[in-house]
Amino acid sequence: DARVTQTPRHKVTEMGQEVTMRCQPILGHNTVFWYRQTMMQGLELLAYFRNRAPLDDSGMPKDRFSAEMPDATLATLKIQPSEPRDSAVYFCASGQGYEQYFGPGTRLTVT
Amino acid sequence: AQRVTQPEKLLSVFKGAPVELKCNYSYSGSPELFWYVQYSRQRLQLLLRHISRESIKGFTADLNKGETSFHLKKPFAQEEDSAMYYCALSGTSYDKVIFGPGTSLSVIP
Repeated sequence: DARVTQTPRHKVTEMGQEVTMRCQPILGHNTVFWYRQTMMQGLELLAYFRNRAPLDDSGMPKDRFSAEMPDATLATLKIQPSEPRDSAVYFCASGQGYEQYFGPGTRLTVT
Repeated sequence: AQRVTQPEKLLSVFKGAPVELKCNYSYSGSPELFWYVQYSRQRLQLLLRHISRESIKGFTADLNKGETSFHLKKPFAQEEDSAMYYCALSGTSYDKVIFGPGTSLSVIP
């Protein structure tokens, strides 16, 4: 049963530090999404890729966030420098067609 | 503007009672609509989609284009239905999915 994997599952860091989150999409899926989930804002789309090309990153603060897909098996989301307001659960999802398959999320706490 | 609204942030019902989670959308065109569910400590997963016209775990959702609504219904709620439910839409099969803010359903035993 293929699943999207994300590492790390939990990350606690201090303000100003760089954070890198990784995602392994399901093999064969050509669309990858990054979401942020908070109690206040719900689920927000940060960026998404199709065939490894970025299609939309308008939901992402450009000055500190960056998303890449160095190859078909790896997507990364980087925050530099991190701030306390970045504390959230970050989900990666991959898809082929309408359905999206979500990873377990990375719970980020920035102190 | 493309948008999904779920007016209820929290919804509590008794076990065995009917449940309806409301969803309204705005979209210029004919979107595909979905319900996703997130059980406690589990990943978000697709519950059902309009295109399939199926019933999953006793849930159904009817698309009302006139009212631009896609409410999720179940005639008899079960305790295991307690979860966070997200309504979502997409323009095409490879387009981004726009999620609503979610409704937390609590089924009281």
